[in-house]
Amino acid sequence: GDSVTQTEGPVTVSESESLIINCTYSATSIAYPNLFWYVRYPGEGLQLLLKVITAGQKGSSRGFEATYNKETTSFHLQKASVQESDSAVYYCALGDDGGTGANTGKLTFGHGTILRVHP
Amino acid sequence: GGIITQTPKFLIGQEGQKLTLKCQQNFNHDTMYWYRQDSGKGLRLIYYSITENDLQKGDLSEGYDASREKKSSFSLTVTSAQKNEMAVFLCASSIDSFSNERLFFGHGTKLSVL
Repeated sequence: GDSVTQTEGPVTVSESESLIINCTYSATSIAYPNLFWYVRYPGEGLQLLLKVITAGQKGSSRGFEATYNKETTSFHLQKASVQESDSAVYYCALGDDGGTGANTGKLTFGHGTILRVHP
Repeated sequence: GGIITQTPKFLIGQEGQKLTLKCQQNFNHDTMYWYRQDSGKGLRLIYYSITENDLQKGDLSEGYDASREKKSSFSLTVTSAQKNEMAVFLCASSIDSFSNERLFFGHGTKLSVL
């Protein structure tokens, strides 16, 4: 089946340090995977951080970036300089492009990575 | 903007009990989802619905029923709660099921079974 593996947390970094949270995927039933990063800030619901639907493209949001690498089946999340407000749980997710109509937009999620940023 | 409301926020049940979780959205989205999250694990899809009165099984549908009687609401029933079960149930919606547009999530219902 399809699966997503991401960095085991918690990940603890100091403010202004760089960050990388690894994500690799296995898409056995999906011809053209779409890749997502979702985030849950303390006290809030899960929300989309960024999305990339085309291999080789990069998505970015709030200073975070992730590149869809089909060769290495990876979608690592990076940020050059984190802030304390980035402390949250980050989820990598895999979806179907839905173009065939055979599958829906349902997603396969990783287990989440807790990020703690110290001032 | 819209909102997804899940009720209750916390649910405590007894072993063998039937428990119902409710979800309402005012985005006017077609598709709604129920995911389960266990500690240290990713979200797993239980049921989804692409339109009113439609139900589709996810990877984890055994032991659950779902109902989509209105476009705006999607309920999930745990048919027989398991002793010491603890999980968070997340409801989500999206514009439709074919464009893979982003999901909007509720805050979750935390279930504990005594």
